[in-house]
Amino acid sequence: GQQVMQIPQYQHVQEGEDFTTYCNSSTTLSNIQWYKQRPGGHPVFLIQLVKSGEVKKQKRLTFQFGEAKKNSSLHITATQTTDVGTYFCAGLRNTGFQKLVFGTGTRLLVSP
Amino acid sequence: ETGVTQSPTHLIKTRGQQVTLRCSSQSGHNTVSWYQQALGQGPQFIFQYYREEENGRGNFPPRFSGLQFPNYSSELNVNALELDDSALYLCASSSMGQAAYEQYFGPGTRLTVT
Repeated sequence: GQQVMQIPQYQHVQEGEDFTTYCNSSTTLSNIQWYKQRPGGHPVFLIQLVKSGEVKKQKRLTFQFGEAKKNSSLHITATQTTDVGTYFCAGLRNTGFQKLVFGTGTRLLVSP
Repeated sequence: ETGVTQSPTHLIKTRGQQVTLRCSSQSGHNTVSWYQQALGQGPQFIFQYYREEENGRGNFPPRFSGLQFPNYSSELNVNALELDDSALYLCASSSMGQAAYEQYFGPGTRLTVT
């Protein structure tokens, strides 16, 4: 079946450093979404990318969708302690119904 | 916060028992998806309900079943509980046909099977 892998599994940075998580799918995706889950919380939708090669920015966050629509990345510039959490990519596949396949997640810890 | 609610918040059951989890979708949403999230892992798709019918299913056995009601709320039923069923169960509501198809997650139900 479809697999969506993320690297790294875990990253610990000092506040102010940059952070990047990479997402790779074994199959082509209709689109890709990114979610953030705070410790003890539930996933919260961040953004959706649809077009091949698409780049979107949200303040310090930059999201990219690969040309082949099989990979994506999330880059955070100048991390803050509020960025702590696990970041999941989720690929949307249209297989007769819309199914989200979540990646393995990258846990980010930011020290002040 | 999303308008998606789930009950109960926490639940402890014994192996072999049955459990029912409930989800109220966000106003205006007609689709509910259920996910199982084991500790330290990403959510795994269980199934999706649209217009009161199962619209798609992940790799979960038949002892995982569900319902969707006319008001779009939903239930997840798990029979013959196993220890590995211990997880956070998340429901997410969305609107079928909406271009963005973003999913709004509820706070989850933490199920512990002993």
